[in-house]
Amino acid sequence: DAKTTQPPSMDCAEGRAANLPCNHSTISGNEYVYWYRQIHSQGPQYIIHGLKNNETNEMASLIITEDRKSSTLILPHATLRDTAVYYCIVRVRGETSGSRLTFGEGTQLTVNP
Amino acid sequence: NAGVMQNPRHLVRRRGQEARLRCSPMKGHSHVYWYRQLPEEGLKFMVYLQKENIIDESGMPKERFSAEFPKEGPSILRIQQVVRGDSAAYFCASSPRDRAMLDTEAFFGQGTRLTVV
Repeated sequence: DAKTTQPPSMDCAEGRAANLPCNHSTISGNEYVYWYRQIHSQGPQYIIHGLKNNETNEMASLIITEDRKSSTLILPHATLRDTAVYYCIVRVRGETSGSRLTFGEGTQLTVNP
Repeated sequence: NAGVMQNPRHLVRRRGQEARLRCSPMKGHSHVYWYRQLPEEGLKFMVYLQKENIIDESGMPKERFSAEFPKEGPSILRIQQVVRGDSAAYFCASSPRDRAMLDTEAFFGQGTRLTVV
């Protein structure tokens, strides 16, 4: 799986958009970009994933650059409950070896009132 | 997340004792994954199981750790002769089929926090 690089921490004002960057310059053509988050003391929660097109769901938007070497997770209107560690993961989808994920250090997002 | 049940939520063991962590996957899910999160670190994959089979245990420590997922009942992660370094949060995730990525088809439990004293 490709290695990812994320800033260790970010701050965001409540109600504003939170833009979390991720670099994955060694990503392969068949690797997807996944985002998870882990709110303190809870299990990880899936947010969104994509291959090369931008994606949007009820939680967030994922913007992937044309060369796929980086991506940005956007929380359009951050709330205090979005304070969490956000993990960017790239891997091949549907490997028969199992769906294990490799979590890096992630970005600690703190949403301030 | 509420669908994957882990128990106990908190477990305290003295050094040398055994720890047994249980994970009941969501209904209809036959694939279970265990992860460990040491203090101030990210999650690390340990083992992937299907019913009665260990598929990938590349992340399991070679000694003292074992996992099973019997035909009936929950998946069990067993740690023998615990040491202080085993203190961590242990998370279980489940999915309905082996080719499902851990996205909307797979969910994590709330974890078991093991403290070795």
